[in-house]
Amino acid sequence: DVKVTQSSRYLVKRTGEKVFLECVQDMDHENMFWYRQDPGLGLRLIYFSYDVKMKEKGDIPEGYSVSREKKERFSLILESASTNQTSMYLCASSLRTSGVGEQYFGPGTRLTVT
Amino acid sequence: SQKIEQNSEALNIQEGKTATLTCNYTNYSPAYLQWYRQDPGRGPVFLLLIRENEKEKRKERLKVTFDTTLKQSLFHITASQPADSATYLCALPTFYQKVTFGTGTKLQVIP
Repeated sequence: DVKVTQSSRYLVKRTGEKVFLECVQDMDHENMFWYRQDPGLGLRLIYFSYDVKMKEKGDIPEGYSVSREKKERFSLILESASTNQTSMYLCASSLRTSGVGEQYFGPGTRLTVT
Repeated sequence: SQKIEQNSEALNIQEGKTATLTCNYTNYSPAYLQWYRQDPGRGPVFLLLIRENEKEKRKERLKVTFDTTLKQSLFHITASQPADSATYLCALPTFYQKVTFGTGTKLQVIP
């Protein structure tokens, strides 16, 4: 069974802290994604990686960085957390195809920054 | 960039009826369109993909249509059940390997 796991379901951090969100997939997918989801705004792409050590900025990369050292693992880093980064964070993966493959999502991490 | 519009108001229907959800897009017609289901507090789950040369796609009680002239996709759930209650998202490809998601429509099936 296809699986994307995220390190935490709920996380509470203080303003200014460095935050690491981890995502692991067991499907040997080339593509991995980080989104945030906020009410009324839907899913917004933060970063995308199409291969190990490769990354691309999405629509809202400011305040975030990513790391992909291994194919199965994609980390999202909040260098200095701020209250406007309180959100649901979703990781996804997909096969690299000639078009766009279906994305498999993790359960999400609800991050609260106080 | 592609703009996707889904009815932001919740859709309430009676159990057993057909639910119809709409996804409109504003710019270029994509080569395909995806539909996902999302339950509260969970990640979206892929349901169906329809290509531009397919007028209609079915999977069990689900049916998706794609009208590139109207720039619209319709998502139907026939014989709806309370377990179908969820938010449904459409997604269109943008650039390499990526999609843009609509904000979703919340469906509530009333017993």
